[in-house]
Amino acid sequence: QKEVEQDPGPLSVPEGAIVSLNCTYSNSAFQYFMWYRQYSRKGPELLMYTYSSGNKEDGRFTAQVDKSSKYISLFIRDSQPSDSATYLCAMRDSGYALNFGKGTSLLVTP
Amino acid sequence: SAVISQKPSRDICQRGTSLTIQCQVDSQVTMMFWYRQQPGQSLTLIATANQGSEATYESGFVIDKFPISRPNLTFSTLTVSNMSPEDSSIYLCSVYGLAGRHHTGELFFGEGSRLTVL
Repeated sequence: QKEVEQDPGPLSVPEGAIVSLNCTYSNSAFQYFMWYRQYSRKGPELLMYTYSSGNKEDGRFTAQVDKSSKYISLFIRDSQPSDSATYLCAMRDSGYALNFGKGTSLLVTP
Repeated sequence: SAVISQKPSRDICQRGTSLTIQCQVDSQVTMMFWYRQQPGQSLTLIATANQGSEATYESGFVIDKFPISRPNLTFSTLTVSNMSPEDSSIYLCSVYGLAGRHHTGELFFGEGSRLTVL
């Protein structure tokens, strides 16, 4: 079993929809959680960074961490065509190495 | 955040050759990280490049295949040696953001170097 599982999609939604992206993990030592957005032929761009459990909001983006369920989510409100990209979850314990999901491909159609 | 520049952005290479990827950061950092992103796979850490000491390699990656240099606090190179088509991938340089002398926990990436091995 991989340490981080993420549905690759693709996920297609109409503009304005609420998008929910999710990852599960198996290592209870993970305590730092990140979401990256990666456009085609670009490097990953950090969207959200959270520590331990709880919610964090930044504009249209909300990150949720449920450590008891080993489950993290990223919600995108009022989705836009410019949100079309691959979204990567990542997490780590007290070390420096990030463990990534495979990414979910999102397409927001006008 | 950190500004990370990588060269080359892409290259097409012949089997058996080697290619060196350069990474330049706009601030002095102790550690630089090299990741690989293979098609349809998760990003995977290859090694940590430490200034003034040997790089630390993750399981499955060896120095003979991926030699790393770290001559100063803002620059690193990764060489992919004796390439085969299985090495076709995106190679990414990354660093943690800094707040004073401490890292923020936020890992930033360069744009990547996309290698295709024929």
